[in-house]
Parts: sequence; structure tokens; C-alpha cells
Amino acid sequence: GESVGLHLPTLSVQEGDNSIINCAYSNSASDYFIWYKQESGKGPQFIIDIRSNMDKRQGQRVTVLLNKTVKHLSLQIAATQPGDSAVYFCAENTGTASKLTFGTGTRLQVTL
Amino acid sequence: NAGVTQTPKFQVLKTGQSMTLQCAQDMNHNSMYWYRQDPGMGLRLIYYSASEGTTDKGEVPNGYNVSRLNKREFSLRLESAAPSQTSVYFCASSETSGRGNEQFFGPGTRLTVL
Repeated sequence: GESVGLHLPTLSVQEGDNSIINCAYSNSASDYFIWYKQESGKGPQFIIDIRSNMDKRQGQRVTVLLNKTVKHLSLQIAATQPGDSAVYFCAENTGTASKLTFGTGTRLQVTL
Repeated sequence: NAGVTQTPKFQVLKTGQSMTLQCAQDMNHNSMYWYRQDPGMGLRLIYYSASEGTTDKGEVPNGYNVSRLNKREFSLRLESAAPSQTSVYFCASSETSGRGNEQFFGPGTRLTVL
């Protein structure tokens, strides 16, 4: 079936560096994507979203890029901080309702 | 505002036992959702309720039942727990069920079935 997946299970970056987390999706009909952050022992927390009529969207220290040609999106975190250490999920809004299909997640480890 | 709350935080069951996971939200949201998260995996939708009085199956509904008690509360019931239902369960809510509505998640219930 259709799925949303991630390339890298673990990403280790130094504090202050930029982080890039990647996600591939397979449903070409998908038109809405969300990035979530999940800290240990907590529920997912919304970071940023993007619709398919956009290629790029920026938030505070975060940027999401969408490449519909290759069905790929990425999350860029500028000046990564220790508080950014978490698991990051991309999710796809499927169907007509607000039902989410999640990827398997990437763990971001920030080293000092 | 507490957002989305879940009880209990932890639960251990024996195979065949039943239990109900409770979820409540105080954001006056119309839509609510139940997900499960297995180790090393993303969340998978079990059931959702687009509005009070309606419920629909998600990706993995087998072995579960839900009740939308009122606008605030959405419970998940395991009638006869199985070890395969060992997981972390998350409840979420959104303003409506339309596409593009941000979902807010609770802290989760960690369930172990022996």
C-alpha cells in the first residue's frame, strides 16, 4: 500500500550546526504534509506543515522543502540546539478527512 | 487549558483481560483520534471520530472499540487484550476533521499485555 517513510533512522549533529531530516512518500496524490517532533515519553508535537501547492515553507528556525517530482520532503533545522534532540516524523494527510499516515521516524541527536 | 489528557499513563494486563483507555480534550475540538505506536515505528490510526456521535475505522481497528461519549471525551476499549496490543496509545484532537487541521496529541498510555 501507500506509505510514508524516512531515509535515516538516526542523525547526529553538533550543536550549532544545521540539521536536515529527509522523508520519502509514495502516494503521488498526497497534497498535505506535516512534520512532528516527539520527545522521549511525550506525544508528537506539531512543528510545521506544507501543502502541495508550495515548494518551501519557513517557520522559526525550521524550513520544510517539498519536491513533488521525486516525492520527497525534508525538514531543515537551523543552528541545532540540545533541545532539538527528539524523534522527528513526517506525516501525510490521507483521504478526505484529517487522517494521518506517519513515517517511521528519524532520531536526531545533538552533541555538544 | 490542559489540552489533551489521557488516563492511565501506564497499564499492565494479562492476556484476555479488558480495559478502557480514557481521553479528554478541553479545546472544544470536534474531531478526536486514537493511534498506537510500536517500537521503532510511526503512529498508526486505530479509530477516529470526526464529530460527536460518529466514529470510523482507521488503519488498524481490529481488537478495539471506541465510544465518543460527548464532545470532550473519546474512549478506546480492548475487550480481550492480546500481547500484540502491547504498545503506546496516543489520543489526539483537531478542530475539525477536514484536511489540514493540526492535531494535538496527549502524553500517551503505555500498555503491556503479558
